[in-house]
Amino acid sequence: DGGITQSPKYLFRKEGQNVTLSCEQNLNHDAMYWYRQDPGQGLRLIYYSQIVNDFQKGDIAEGYSVSREKKESFPLTVTSAQKNPTAFYLCASSISAGDEQFFGPGTRLTVL
Amino acid sequence: DAKTTQPPSMDCAEGRAANLPCNHSTISGNEYVYWYRQIHSQGPQYIIHGLKNNETNEMASLIITEDRKSSTLILPHATLRDTAVYYCIVRVAGGSYIPTFGRGTSLIVHP
Repeated sequence: DGGITQSPKYLFRKEGQNVTLSCEQNLNHDAMYWYRQDPGQGLRLIYYSQIVNDFQKGDIAEGYSVSREKKESFPLTVTSAQKNPTAFYLCASSISAGDEQFFGPGTRLTVL
Repeated sequence: DAKTTQPPSMDCAEGRAANLPCNHSTISGNEYVYWYRQIHSQGPQYIIHGLKNNETNEMASLIITEDRKSSTLILPHATLRDTAVYYCIVRVAGGSYIPTFGRGTSLIVHP
């Protein structure tokens, strides 16, 4: 069953702690993306990767970090430097950058 | 890439057609119109896209005006499960364009 998965669905962390959100795809897509969504707002691009071992900052990369060591995996770390980390985080992939995107179910992060 | 303008919210009765407008008056000749939707607390889902001809698939129809400055997504028989936020995006096919999703239109389908 091909698709894109994110885990966990809900995540709670204390302020000041780093946290890593998982994103895995078995669609053999080259490109992967991370978006952030706040209540009532659209999606804002955090980071994207067009190919393994390469990634670029999006519009709101400050306070976040990513890695792309494997084609199928694109984890996002929310660091303590991110001022307002509580949000809904969405991962997506596409065959290549610019193609139709497929989204995961999202992770809702709450920082207490 | 061209910007889009959508009404923030709309409502529709179940079983009726839902017509969602999108204005993209600065669209270029090589830019496509894409529609996605996002059901609450889920990731966005691709619906349909088109260049200048009207398009139809199992989910919806896309009507693009002759001057391509606006389009309408039509859900012919809306159901309660169609309640979602609908995003209209214009983009060049291929290349490395990374879509941006504005606030979209929140469609509420009521019984």
